[in-house]
Amino acid sequence: SQQGEEDPQALSIQEGENATMNCSYKTSINNLQWYRQNSGRGLVHLILIRSNEREKHSGRLRVTLDTSKKSSSLLITASRAADTASYFCAECKVTGKLIFGQGTTLQVKP
Amino acid sequence: DTAVSQTPKYLVTQMGNDKSIKCEQNLGHDTMYWYKQDSKKFLKIMFSYNNKELIINETVPNRFSPKSPDKAHLNLHINSLELGDSAVYFCASSQDRTSKLNTEAFFGQGTRLTVV
Repeated sequence: SQQGEEDPQALSIQEGENATMNCSYKTSINNLQWYRQNSGRGLVHLILIRSNEREKHSGRLRVTLDTSKKSSSLLITASRAADTASYFCAECKVTGKLIFGQGTTLQVKP
Repeated sequence: DTAVSQTPKYLVTQMGNDKSIKCEQNLGHDTMYWYKQDSKKFLKIMFSYNNKELIINETVPNRFSPKSPDKAHLNLHINSLELGDSAVYFCASSQDRTSKLNTEAFFGQGTRLTVV
């Protein structure tokens, strides 16, 4: 299977804590993207990091990329109950095809 | 205004039936996709069209046939539905697959298909 892996599969934290999710992928990438999916909803793009970038920030989100290890991490700082969702990393190929990881289910308790 | 809209949101049907899911995007994007999400939340690409031309066709049974009448629409027709087809189907679009920018994909809300 081409699909990457995410770790952990489930994460439960208290509001205000930081949440870190890791993603490993299998093939060379054009870029790597992170998406959020609220229960019963579609995916929403969060952040894109290109293969020649190592770190990127967007608000409370911080993404790192290590192409030598074929891994990425998503850090959500000062989490809120509204951050409760599933988070997916996706390898983007030059065709635009996205290969998604298994996802991490994050629960933030108020 | 909904950027990527797909209908219906829910679809319950019997085995053997034929059904269609419609998708429209008003973002002016050139590329559209169909993804399937199974009960374990695994997301997998099925098809991709760029300017009405099929560019990605994963190993999907030929009971599934995408149709793109224009670059703003990508419909999915499924013949002879089987129990294993039950899943959530997502339509998505992105700006231009050939762009070196490879921008993000915008997803519809999904169609939950249940075959009984």
